[in-house]
Amino acid sequence: AQSVAQPEDQVNVAEGNPLTVKCTYSVSGNPYLFWYVQYPNRGLQFLLKYITGDNLVKGSYGFEAEFNKSQTSFHLKKPSALVSDSALYFCAVRDNPTGGFKTIFGAGTRLFVKA
Amino acid sequence: DTEVTQTPKHLVMGMTNKKSLKCEQHMGHRAMYWYKQKAKKPPELMFVYSYEKLSINESVPSRFSPECPNSSLLNLHLHALQPEDSALYLCASSQTTGGSGQPQHFGDGTRLSIL
Repeated sequence: AQSVAQPEDQVNVAEGNPLTVKCTYSVSGNPYLFWYVQYPNRGLQFLLKYITGDNLVKGSYGFEAEFNKSQTSFHLKKPSALVSDSALYFCAVRDNPTGGFKTIFGAGTRLFVKA
Repeated sequence: DTEVTQTPKHLVMGMTNKKSLKCEQHMGHRAMYWYKQKAKKPPELMFVYSYEKLSINESVPSRFSPECPNSSLLNLHLHALQPEDSALYLCASSQTTGGSGQPQHFGDGTRLSIL
C-alpha cells in the first residue's frame, strides 16, 4: 500500500529564512505525489504535484518541492518564508494511480513563521 | 475564493436530529469526495462518487448517507449522530478518479457539532 510520512509535527522558521517541510514516501510503482496547505478554518489547497519529469517541481505561492527517488523523499521548500505561510501542510500520495481512487495524506506538519 | 462551495459552514445538532450537508462545484468535475477531519489531523476519506455513482464507501456507519443528485451536487445526510462525529466535514472534487495525478479541489468545510 502507498503511504507518506511527515517526520516533523512542527517546523519553526524566521521570516525571510528558507523553509523545508519534509516528506518521505513508500509506493509500489511510480509515485504520484502532492503537497496541500490548510489555513485555519479553511479547506485544503493544492500547492504542487510530482508525476514525472523534472525532479524540481514549482508550485503556488513561491513553493517548490524536490523529488528524490533514491531517498524516497519529496520535501517542500521555499527560499524566503513569509509570516502568511504559517499553516498546516500535508504531503499526499495517490493510491493506485491507474485506478485512481484515493489520496493518502501524511499526518501533517504545522509551519510557524515568526516575524 | 474556493471553487467548491459547502453549506452550511457551521451546524449544531442533537443526536436525534436529521440534517444534511451540501456541496456544489461547477468545474465540470466528475469525481466528488466526502472527508472527515478532526482537529490537527489529516482528512479521512469517507465516500467517493465517480460519474454520480458511489464507488467507495470506507466502511462509514449508516448514520451517514451520501447522495449525488447530479454531477455538480453532493449531499451528506446525517441521522442519529454521536458526539464523536463532531468534526470538520470536507467536500472535494477532481476531474475524474483516475488519470494522471489530478489534484483535488476542496471546499472550506462544514464544522459539525453534535450535542
